[in-house]
Amino acid sequence: ETGVTQSPTHLIKTRGQQVTLRCSSQSGHNTVSWYQQALGQGPQFIFQYYREEENGRGNFPPRFSGLQFPNYSSELNVNALELDDSALYLCASSGGAGEETQYFGPGTRLLVL
Amino acid sequence: GEDVEQSLFLSVREGDSSVINCTYTDSSSTYLYWYKQEPGAGLQLLTYIFSNMDMKQDQRLTVLLNKKDKHLSLRIADTQTGDSAIYFCAGSASDSSYKLIFGSGTRLLVRP
Repeated sequence: ETGVTQSPTHLIKTRGQQVTLRCSSQSGHNTVSWYQQALGQGPQFIFQYYREEENGRGNFPPRFSGLQFPNYSSELNVNALELDDSALYLCASSGGAGEETQYFGPGTRLLVL
Repeated sequence: GEDVEQSLFLSVREGDSSVINCTYTDSSSTYLYWYKQEPGAGLQLLTYIFSNMDMKQDQRLTVLLNKKDKHLSLRIADTQTGDSAIYFCAGSASDSSYKLIFGSGTRLLVRP
């Protein structure tokens, strides 16, 4: 086990709704990255937070937003959900700038109907 | 742009060696990683190699890196049924985020 936890484990929403996913990083890690993994594909980078600031963003629209808190836990928010947002959302924590190795949580499976 | 490619499927018999291959385009990746994903689960870090190394061995796992050909491989010795899973290779991007660029995964099936 990596010590990275995510909640909830599963979620069902309808199109147009909003969702918030949560991640607690491994003890001692100050960086959280979020990835989207569609069925049958590899994870795609959404964004990364380092010490409460966004530190890089992938090719995702602005309706995907995030936060990092002083205890380095993080939230991923998705507004105006679309059917294609159905996926496994993974967060990964790492030790910060220069410490690259990322350790993943178990993921949140989101289904949008 | 950055891209990582893997073969989709590999089937081996229990006790044989498995070799999973990966090619990547971003030669500036500092680290290259192998992750394992079991059904319905997150990603488990198996091993990684620094870009200035050619080989790394870790118990049953051997990683080979050919920087000239941008080719990475993972060899699993004495493959067991518990090794059946999807294996992803990933490279770290060269920007400040060190985001990971993943391949689409290789499904390894170990037959008894």
